[in-house]
Amino acid sequence: ETGVTQSPTHLIKTRGQQVTLRCSSQSGHNTVSWYQQALGQGPQFIFQYYREEENGRGNFPPRFSGLQFPNYSSELNVNALELDDSALYLCASSLNLGIREETQYFGPGTRLLVL
Amino acid sequence: SQQGEEDPQALSIQEGENATMNCSYKTSINNLQWYRQNSGRGLVHLILIRSNEREKHSGRLRVTLDTSKKSSSLLITASRAADTASYFCATGGGGQAGTALIFGKGTTLSVSS
Repeated sequence: ETGVTQSPTHLIKTRGQQVTLRCSSQSGHNTVSWYQQALGQGPQFIFQYYREEENGRGNFPPRFSGLQFPNYSSELNVNALELDDSALYLCASSLNLGIREETQYFGPGTRLLVL
Repeated sequence: SQQGEEDPQALSIQEGENATMNCSYKTSINNLQWYRQNSGRGLVHLILIRSNEREKHSGRLRVTLDTSKKSSSLLITASRAADTASYFCATGGGGQAGTALIFGKGTTLSVSS
């Protein structure tokens, strides 16, 4: 186990609704990254938070937003849900020492279904 | 967009055989990582190889990296049924700490007993 937890495990929403996904990072880690994985595809980077600031963003629209809290846990918010947002959402925590990249450890994911 | 491409897309072998998966990428990297994913669950980190390393071992896993060819391979020796999973390579951005991982589409490995 990686020590990274995500909630909820499964979620069903309808188009136009809003959703909040949560992630608790591994103890001692200061960076959280979020990924979207569509069925049969590799994970796609959404954004990353380092010390409560966004530290990079992938090719996702502004309706995907996030937060990182002082305890380094994080939220992913998606507004105005679309059918194509149905996917497995993964968060990963890591320790950014500012020198080099370290391993990212993934949580079990939240499976979102938009109807 | 995907940075890496794994090859083959699917691989079926018998228990005890070796499995080799390849990954090619496009831009310069700091490191390359391999992950395993069972049945759409979270990714399990297998091994990280840095751009100045050529080969790395971990148990039954052997990873090679050829930065001149922008390619990597993952070898699983003496495969077991429990190795059945999808395997992804992921590259870290060049020259900047704490950046995104860019994944390929993965190789689906099926090991039958």
